[in-house]
Amino acid sequence: QVQLQESGPGLVKPSETLSLTCSVSGGSISGYYWSWIRQPPGKGLEWIGNIYYTGYTNSNPSLKSRVTISVDTPKNRFSLKLTSVTASDTAVYFCARHGLGRVDIVGATGLDHWGQGTLVTVSS
Amino acid sequence: SYDLTQPPSMSVSPGQTAIITCSGDKLGDSYASWYQQKPGQSPLLLIYQDKKRPSGIPERFSGSNSGTTVTLTISGTQAVDEADYYCQAWDNSFMLFGGGTKLTVL
Repeated sequence: QVQLQESGPGLVKPSETLSLTCSVSGGSISGYYWSWIRQPPGKGLEWIGNIYYTGYTNSNPSLKSRVTISVDTPKNRFSLKLTSVTASDTAVYFCARHGLGRVDIVGATGLDHWGQGTLVTVSS
Repeated sequence: SYDLTQPPSMSVSPGQTAIITCSGDKLGDSYASWYQQKPGQSPLLLIYQDKKRPSGIPERFSGSNSGTTVTLTISGTQAVDEADYYCQAWDNSFMLFGGGTKLTVL
């Protein structure tokens, strides 16, 4: 049973960098795309970006200049860095696997496994 | 990128059919997925590649894509189906989510 677990600070100061890691257990990170998605309190889902196990990344144009996503295949985990955060970056951050469909074509996949989400609050 | 538009809310009586729509100019150019999210939980994949159901998802959930509109149909809606529903599609390699529809079963 594949499980994803987000970890990282729950409180980040404005203008600093938000750093989160998603650890994958029960399955390999290889062979799949992996995404970060966030949800501000009481609002909808917003895609942040994704990464293929090879290291190829793509990110939301609205966040692209601030987002770095990386993968650590030996440790079976991938990470998110979001720089210059403001209060509007306060959200529950989810990691998820593009595990169903044509897993080698990101646009032909569904997000079949999600982490439980971690609330990150941006405040001084 | 373009927007995916969903009705913010809708209600349905138990046993009836709920039809949740998601509209967008380029929906015919990509596959769509649907997710269900209950309060305090992570989203759950209901439909992928427009109409495929993951293992374990009840048959009462079905999906379709007509080009500029994708539809999630819940047949014989049950009280446990009360939740937020999100459509998701692609604009080239960028993932898009609809704003979500809050489904009330009453």
